Amino acid sequence: QKEVEQDPGPLSVPEGAIVSLNCTYSNSAFQYFMWYRQYSRKGPELLMYTYSSGNKEDGRFTAQVDKSSKYISLFIRDSQPSDSATYLCAMTLPYGQNFVFGPGTRLSVLP
Amino acid sequence: GAGVSQSPRYKVAKRGQDVALRCDPISGHVSLFWYQQALGQGPEFLTYFQNEAQLDKSGLPSDRFFAERPEGSVSTLKIQRTQQEDSAVYLCASSFPGSREQYFGPGTRLTVT
Repeated sequence: QKEVEQDPGPLSVPEGAIVSLNCTYSNSAFQYFMWYRQYSRKGPELLMYTYSSGNKEDGRFTAQVDKSSKYISLFIRDSQPSDSATYLCAMTLPYGQNFVFGPGTRLSVLP
Repeated sequence: GAGVSQSPRYKVAKRGQDVALRCDPISGHVSLFWYQQALGQGPEFLTYFQNEAQLDKSGLPSDRFFAERPEGSVSTLKIQRTQQEDSAVYLCASSFPGSREQYFGPGTRLTVT
């Protein structure tokens, strides 16, 4: 079992839909949680960064962390075709520097 | 520059050749990371520098992989005697020390034939 799991998709939604992307993890010591967006043949781009449990909102994006369930989510409101990409979750230990990534979920937003 | 840059963007090597991949981090970022991303997978950690010191190399898959950052800025990842399983995208990221906000370069796509 991998440390961080994501449904690989592809996930296809119509433009304007609310998208829910999720990761589960096995190491309860993870403390910092990140979401990255990766377009084809590009490097990952940082979207959201949260510490411990709770919610964080930034524009159309909301990140949620539930440490008791070892489950994190990214919600995208009013999805756009330009949101079509692979979404990667990543996490790290309190004193760790390197990230552990999930395999990514491929999202297609159809016009 | 404005972001992390990597060169070359694409590299084709014959099995057994040595390759060197370069990373230029964001100016002022003392932490630098190398990751390997196989097709359809998330990036996997290889090694981490703070300034010129290599603080963690636990992710390097074999002793054929070697990374350096002699002046605490530009870093080079070298792979000796490349094998087909080394084919992947090699990503470099940088950050301020202690920050969890890592900024990635576009990657170098290595194909070993």
